[in-house]
Amino acid sequence: GQNIDQPTEMTATEGAIVQINCTYQTSGFNGLFWYQQHAGEAPTFLSYNVLDGLEEKGRFSSFLSRSKGYSYLLLKELQMKDSASYLCAVSKAAGNKLTFGGGTRVLVKP
Amino acid sequence: DAGITQSPRHKVTETGTPVTLRCHQTENHRYMYWYRQDPGHGLRLIHYSYGVKDTDKGEVSDGYSVSRSKTEDFLLTLESATSSQTSVYFCAITDPGLDAEAFFGQGTRLTVV
Repeated sequence: GQNIDQPTEMTATEGAIVQINCTYQTSGFNGLFWYQQHAGEAPTFLSYNVLDGLEEKGRFSSFLSRSKGYSYLLLKELQMKDSASYLCAVSKAAGNKLTFGGGTRVLVKP
Repeated sequence: DAGITQSPRHKVTETGTPVTLRCHQTENHRYMYWYRQDPGHGLRLIHYSYGVKDTDKGEVSDGYSVSRSKTEDFLLTLESATSSQTSVYFCAITDPGLDAEAFFGQGTRLTVV
């Protein structure tokens, strides 16, 4: 089976940094995706990690440790528009099927 | 934006009735998926398809069936709707590459009363 855990909710201040952790236990791991989902909208792709290490994309960075079954998404210079849910998803090598964690709702306050 | 549309966007139906949700894409992606999203559970895979007439079950497939007769259309049918199937349903498409991102439709909010 697969188990993916991430915190339910986090609150941060505009301009600050927030780190969202994701731990997973799975067989057939291929890579790890992060998606952003605003309330009432579809998820949209943020990042993909397949190798250990940090991937940086502007204000967002994602880290993966395959040996530890651990990833995090780092959001820097937070803006009000970053208030959303952030979904951690593991993909298996066969068929690109994604297994999602429950999502972390981030609330950015002024 | 990926050309992926779901219909209907909202539906209220009665327990015991059949319901079909449609996912239509204009991107010619081979892989298509149906997920449901419920509070506390995140997105869960219902069924998926790797091509025309090639479908398989996901983790929560009981009570659902799918069909894919054309590359661009993936239909999800609730054979006899139950209140536990009240949810938001998302269709997703992707290419076969292992690092291919999934593109999601806007979702269908289904309420079974």
